[in-house]
Amino acid sequence: TQLLEQSPQFLSIQEGENLTVYCNSSSVFSSLQWYRQEPGEGPVLLVTVVTGGEVKKLKRLTFQFGDARKDSSLHITAAQPGDTGLYLCAANAGGTSYGKLTFGQGTILTVHP
Amino acid sequence: EPEVTQTPSHQVTQMGQEVILRCVPISNHLYFYWYRQILGQKVEFLVSFYNNEISEKSEIFDDQFSVERPDGSNFTLKIRSTKLEDSAMYFCASSELTGTSGRVDEQFFGPGTRLTVL
Repeated sequence: TQLLEQSPQFLSIQEGENLTVYCNSSSVFSSLQWYRQEPGEGPVLLVTVVTGGEVKKLKRLTFQFGDARKDSSLHITAAQPGDTGLYLCAANAGGTSYGKLTFGQGTILTVHP
Repeated sequence: EPEVTQTPSHQVTQMGQEVILRCVPISNHLYFYWYRQILGQKVEFLVSFYNNEISEKSEIFDDQFSVERPDGSNFTLKIRSTKLEDSAMYFCASSELTGTSGRVDEQFFGPGTRLTVL
């Protein structure tokens, strides 16, 4: 069974601070996705990383895929209250797994004004 | 922007009853999925579906569950005899490509159906 461990589980910071969320596994993945989920809603795709070492930026969010494709990080610069939410990483093992995504347990981010 | 839609948003049922959850995937997508999320727990994969058949299913997806694409737009999840532990958010997702060919699998999720079994 492939597991994705996210850390930290909870993060409470002040507006303007920087933060990093980590997603780690002992397994290699063909791709990894970051989602954001609001209460009572479905996960919304933020980014997909595919290549080991890949870095993608989405405004103040920077996503990195580890060289070995086993881990990823999400860095937010100058966090704003609008960034508050649940951030999920999810990975696809590839191979014979037809698109099955394995999710991490999520990081609940609260940004205080 | 195209999106996955799900109905109903909330379904309340009695234990032992059958429920059908409905999804309309993004129109040009070929791969469809169901996931569930029990309150406070991880999102869990249930089943993937392609070319009118199940591609993969998890241990959760036992004989009580079935999926169907009854027409060109809908994708349904049926639970034949609901149990209390089936109470969860059920998410439908769809994708255009799959990781099996080494190509990126970007799955887009619907807003979910909250199933409450009493």
